Amino acid sequence: NAGVTQTPKFQVLKTGQSMTLQCAQDMNHNSMYWYRQDPGMGLRLIYYSASEGTTDKGEVPNGYNVSRLNKREFSLRLESAAPSQTSVYFCASSELTVSGNTIYFGEGSWLTVV
Amino acid sequence: AQSVTQLDSQVPVFEEAPVELRCNYSSSVSVYLFWYVQYPNQGLQLLLKYLSGSTLVKGINGFEAEFNKSQTSFHLRKPSVHISDTAEYFCAVSDPGNTPLVFGKGTRLSVIA
Repeated sequence: NAGVTQTPKFQVLKTGQSMTLQCAQDMNHNSMYWYRQDPGMGLRLIYYSASEGTTDKGEVPNGYNVSRLNKREFSLRLESAAPSQTSVYFCASSELTVSGNTIYFGEGSWLTVV
Repeated sequence: AQSVTQLDSQVPVFEEAPVELRCNYSSSVSVYLFWYVQYPNQGLQLLLKYLSGSTLVKGINGFEAEFNKSQTSFHLRKPSVHISDTAEYFCAVSDPGNTPLVFGKGTRLSVIA
């Protein structure tokens, strides 16, 4: 079972460069999320997509854009990377069922901006 | 908007001792509550969740948590910890439905031999 797959796992960028983090899920979930994790800050929501064709800002959206390409894929783009965007990024997906809502996470993408 | 407070950033405990990791959330009519565990350099794994019903929730690896509406708390407990429980633990809350989770800042549990 692949679950939620993120690429790349590690990336080093120079300030001002752009890049896209890719995320795909094979659980047929409607909702997908991008979080960032920083030491002592927990996980903070960047953007989410409640369903295919919709996206909404989370707590820390500045400097990021997202695309819900289809039901499976939800990408996160940094147009002009800044050192403050050095973080670990987690993609996640979820579906509301009779047993409730559980969010499943990918393994994370470690991004360093120098 | 929901918020979560994890009262301890680090908790050291000796092997085979009991442990409680504390979590309080902002008041709301109804909420979903979760505990996740993160081992070093890995993603997050669900330990347990409260959606409704019994206030005592049992999860994986011998963990349990109790939902206390009057105290707006959802503390995580284990009667006897192992070295392998060393990890970071995150409490999270959401409004009912398929809505994003709001996470606490995490508690690092260190089990000492």
